[in-house]
Amino acid sequence: AQSVTQLDSHVSVSEGTPVLLRCNYSSSYSPSLFWYVQHPNKGLQLLLKYTSAATLVKGINGFEAEFKKSETSFHLTKPSAHMSDAAEYFCVVSDLGGFKTIFGAGTRLFVKA
Amino acid sequence: NAGVTQTPKFQVLKTGQSMTLQCAQDMNHEYMSWYRQDPGMGLRLIHYSVGAGITDQGEVPNGYNVSRSTTEDFPLRLLSAAPSQTSVYFCASSYERALNTEAFFGQGTRLTVV
Repeated sequence: AQSVTQLDSHVSVSEGTPVLLRCNYSSSYSPSLFWYVQHPNKGLQLLLKYTSAATLVKGINGFEAEFKKSETSFHLTKPSAHMSDAAEYFCVVSDLGGFKTIFGAGTRLFVKA
Repeated sequence: NAGVTQTPKFQVLKTGQSMTLQCAQDMNHEYMSWYRQDPGMGLRLIHYSVGAGITDQGEVPNGYNVSRSTTEDFPLRLLSAAPSQTSVYFCASSYERALNTEAFFGQGTRLTVV
């Protein structure tokens, strides 16, 4: 069975400093992995996705993530945080058939001025 | 394009009442799904549909029914509301199954059961 663990429930950074949001997954096959962002009182928006092509995936708003099979990780990074990045971020894995998606518990990112 | 539209945005129900959360998409997507979002638990899949007339259960289907009579609409019915169903509900759609394509989410319905 697939599972997703987001290692931090809250991350706080200062504006202009790097962002690291950690995600580990468990899967018996090579999964598809996604990062979504949810701004307060909004729906979810896709940041980026990994679907067995390049292991370093670039997304919107300067975010990127690296798929590391040996570490079963898919951490999200950004070189320099902006105030507008403050939101909740979800790591997601899809099942083999692609019909079911499993969300991590979420990491809330705070950005201090 | 409107994308994925959910109604209502907010709802308060009494225990035992029934209601239907509406979801419509105008992107001609085959795949639609319903999630509930609870603090510290991410989003959990309730039901999903891979096309008109085809539905299946997700992770937490108990207490909910769905139907898919058209490609555009995927309503979620609460048969007899319980306080445990207090949550934020999201509808999502995608062009095909989730394996390779992004999902588009509605704005959510905040439901409180008292």
